[in-house]
Amino acid sequence: QVTLKESGPGILQPSQTLSLACSFSGFSLSTSGICVSWIRQPSGKGLEWLATICWEDSKDYNPSLTNRLTISKDTSNNQAFLKITSVDTADTAIYYCARRAEGGDYFDYWGQGVMVTVSS
Amino acid sequence: DIQMTQSPPSLSASLGDKVTITCQASQNINKYIAWYQQKPGKAPRLLIRYTSTLDSGTPSRFSGSGSGRDYSFSISNVESEDIASYYCLQYDNLWTFGGGTKLELK
Repeated sequence: QVTLKESGPGILQPSQTLSLACSFSGFSLSTSGICVSWIRQPSGKGLEWLATICWEDSKDYNPSLTNRLTISKDTSNNQAFLKITSVDTADTAIYYCARRAEGGDYFDYWGQGVMVTVSS
Repeated sequence: DIQMTQSPPSLSASLGDKVTITCQASQNINKYIAWYQQKPGKAPRLLIRYTSTLDSGTPSRFSGSGSGRDYSFSISNVESEDIASYYCLQYDNLWTFGGGTKLELK
């Protein structure tokens, strides 16, 4: 059974660095073809893909945010991470991690999401 | 970057209606489009992948079609459990979501 769960700070101040973790089970980021992505959704708004990391450590970033994002993984502990630097109120959102499907580049399993608020 | 223009932003339907949502990509995405359903407070749920392939557990009243830049998603015989927001996702080149469509009951 595939599950993912996000964790984060809840609230942080503008200009700080947001650190998020995705803990997962039912698959391994050391398995060929497996990738984990981060997606966010401001309240009442649409979905925005942020970043993806794959089993061989390749990384892709949303071109509009690439200079602020860093994705990484801890294969031994079944975790993926995302850092966003210099946050501001526009980064307030629910952050999801999701697995890229085996045999396809779409997202098949999602975590429940974690709410992050940027406020002074 | 590939842009996805999804319409309409909102849709009002009666139970039993057929509704259709469209997504237009800024370039050919080679049928690499998926459709998701999202209910309030929940994560998106995959319904359709590769334009028209229903994911496991997706009811047959959901369907998708299209090619090139233009794609559509339909629900025939809308049921109360279908009231949700729907998003398209292109995965031909990186990933881009459409803006979403909120389906409400008339």
